[in-house]
Amino acid sequence: GPKVLQIPSHQIIDMGQMVTLNCDPVSNHLYFYWYKQILGQQMEFLVNFYNGKVMEKSKLFKDQFSVERPDGSYFTLKIQPTALEDSAVYFCASSLAGQGNTLYFGEGSRLIVV
Amino acid sequence: GDQVEQSPSALSLHEGTGSALRCNFTTTMRAVQWFRKNSRGSLINLFYLASGTKENGRLKSAFDSKERYSTLHIRDAQLEDSGTYFCAAEAGDSNYQLIWGSGTKLIIKP
Repeated sequence: GPKVLQIPSHQIIDMGQMVTLNCDPVSNHLYFYWYKQILGQQMEFLVNFYNGKVMEKSKLFKDQFSVERPDGSYFTLKIQPTALEDSAVYFCASSLAGQGNTLYFGEGSRLIVV
Repeated sequence: GDQVEQSPSALSLHEGTGSALRCNFTTTMRAVQWFRKNSRGSLINLFYLASGTKENGRLKSAFDSKERYSTLHIRDAQLEDSGTYFCAAEAGDSNYQLIWGSGTKLIIKP
């Protein structure tokens, strides 16, 4: 089936540094999402992106977070600066359309901030 | 509070048997998706429902927006069905957010 690829799968980073998580969505999909799952907790919505813009974001999407997809390349989540509480698995997803369409998820990027 | 309550949190079945997972919603949801997370961490799409029931092989899912629940039935369970199953619902007041259940860890025993 359709695949969403995430790079890196794991990253350890010092608190205060910048990190970029990369997502290669399904090729014809137009909507892109980031979700965050802290160990032992439920997956939580962060942000949705369409046509070069953030369409919706949650309270978890702090000012230190940003997303972009320059020229159809990777859909990225950048955290600058990182904090200890940013340690989590970040899942990227994409869908063909927004409402009413199934999401396809990547395998997640495990971020450990030390 | 939690809008999606998923049960049971863990389930152990012998091969060939079946059971049902359930998600109750505290508010009206527009649609629900079911996923299985395998040992590699991949979230595999199982079903997307805006209403009614869908069946795929040994899996069957139902969604009732008015009664605020969704179920996932597994029959004739096989070892490869092991994993953590999640429901995720589209809330009526949001176009893009999925609200996730806490997952059901399913173990299939020989």
